Amino acid sequence: AQSVTQLDSHVSVSEGTPVLLRCNYSSSYSPSLFWYVQHPNKGLQLLLKYTSAATLVKGINGFEAEFKKSETSFHLTKPSAHMSDAAEYFCVVIHGSGNTGKLIFGQGTTLQVKP
Amino acid sequence: NAGVMQNPRHLVRRRGQEARLRCSPMKGHSHVYWYRQLPEEGLKFMVYLQKENIIDESGMPKERFSAEFPKEGPSILRIQQVVRGDSAAYFCASSISPTGSNQPQHFGDGTRLSIL
Repeated sequence: AQSVTQLDSHVSVSEGTPVLLRCNYSSSYSPSLFWYVQHPNKGLQLLLKYTSAATLVKGINGFEAEFKKSETSFHLTKPSAHMSDAAEYFCVVIHGSGNTGKLIFGQGTTLQVKP
Repeated sequence: NAGVMQNPRHLVRRRGQEARLRCSPMKGHSHVYWYRQLPEEGLKFMVYLQKENIIDESGMPKERFSAEFPKEGPSILRIQQVVRGDSAAYFCASSISPTGSNQPQHFGDGTRLSIL
């Protein structure tokens, strides 16, 4: 069965410093992976998706993630944090091998950005 | 191009009442998914529907919960005889075809359900 584990429930960085949000996955298949962001009282916005075409995936707002099969990881990074990046971030995997429709969410990482 | 629309944004019900949550998918999307988010937790899959059909309801509680996506109109998540434990944020997502790596789900802003 597919699953994702977000290794940090809370990450705090200073504005202008790098961001690293960690995610490990477990999958019997070649996984389809996503990162979503949720701002307070809002829905989820897709940041980026891993399509197996390239291991380094670039997303919106300067975020990127690298798929490392050997480490079963899909960590999210950004070179320089902005105050507007403060939000909840979810690492997500698709259940099963095909188009099942079911997304499996990690527990989420709250990103705090200090001025 | 409107996104996924959910209403109401906030819903308050007393124990034993019924709650109806509505979701209009993005234009052209015929696949709808419902998720529940309990406080301090990630989203949990409830049900996947495609016009007039339930494809996967493995995450739906067996009692009191039902979902539909009629040929015309929004998808409805219905909770009968609500209890305090139903208090949560309920999110709807839609996609143009079955979700795969190239067809991500687009989410609405959710309905926050509070049970008194």
